[in-house]
Amino acid sequence: KNEVEQSPQNLTAQEGEFITINCSYSVGISALHWLQQHPGGGIVSLFMLSSGKKKHGRLIATINIQEKHSSLHITASHPRDSAVYICAATWGGSEKLVFGKGMKLTVNP
Amino acid sequence: NAGVTQTPKFRILKIGQSMTLQCTQDMNHNYMYWYRQDPGMGLKLIYYSVGAGITDKGEVPNGYNVSRSTTEDFPLRLELAAPSQTSVYFCASSYRVLSNQPQHFGDGTRLSIL
Repeated sequence: KNEVEQSPQNLTAQEGEFITINCSYSVGISALHWLQQHPGGGIVSLFMLSSGKKKHGRLIATINIQEKHSSLHITASHPRDSAVYICAATWGGSEKLVFGKGMKLTVNP
Repeated sequence: NAGVTQTPKFRILKIGQSMTLQCTQDMNHNYMYWYRQDPGMGLKLIYYSVGAGITDKGEVPNGYNVSRSTTEDFPLRLELAAPSQTSVYFCASSYRVLSNQPQHFGDGTRLSIL
């Protein structure tokens, strides 16, 4: 069964801290997505990757295919980073994403 | 550029009523999806479409129907609303999941069945 697991499910940090959010998945993915869900409910796509590392501003996403693991790092965290971060993956030729349950991040000033 | 637009944003239904959740996108995306999000759970795929006239079931299709008569529109219909369908519904679109393109999401419809 294709599955995506995220840990931890909740995380509280202080402003300025370096944050790591983890995601593990079943073998054989084609692509891994990181998404952000704002407190108001809207969902935006942050990254899509199948190997290596991608960076956008203070966000860095990495993936280790052999270890079936991806991480989302936030440098110099800020209260506006408070959101739910969702990991999702697709397998083989499927156009369907399987989603993790998400990790709720709270960054305190 | 409006992106993906969902209507309504909120709705309360009585058990047994029917309704249609509307979704339209203006990005000329071929792929469109309907998800539901329950508290503490990941997004679950209800139905998806890879182009006008083509739809397929996702993980949780029971109690729902879809149609795709145009590239832009992908409505989701609940025929006989049940309390188990209380959820937040998201519509999304993309060129292809496997390409280097993200999924674009609507703002969601919060639906309560009482």
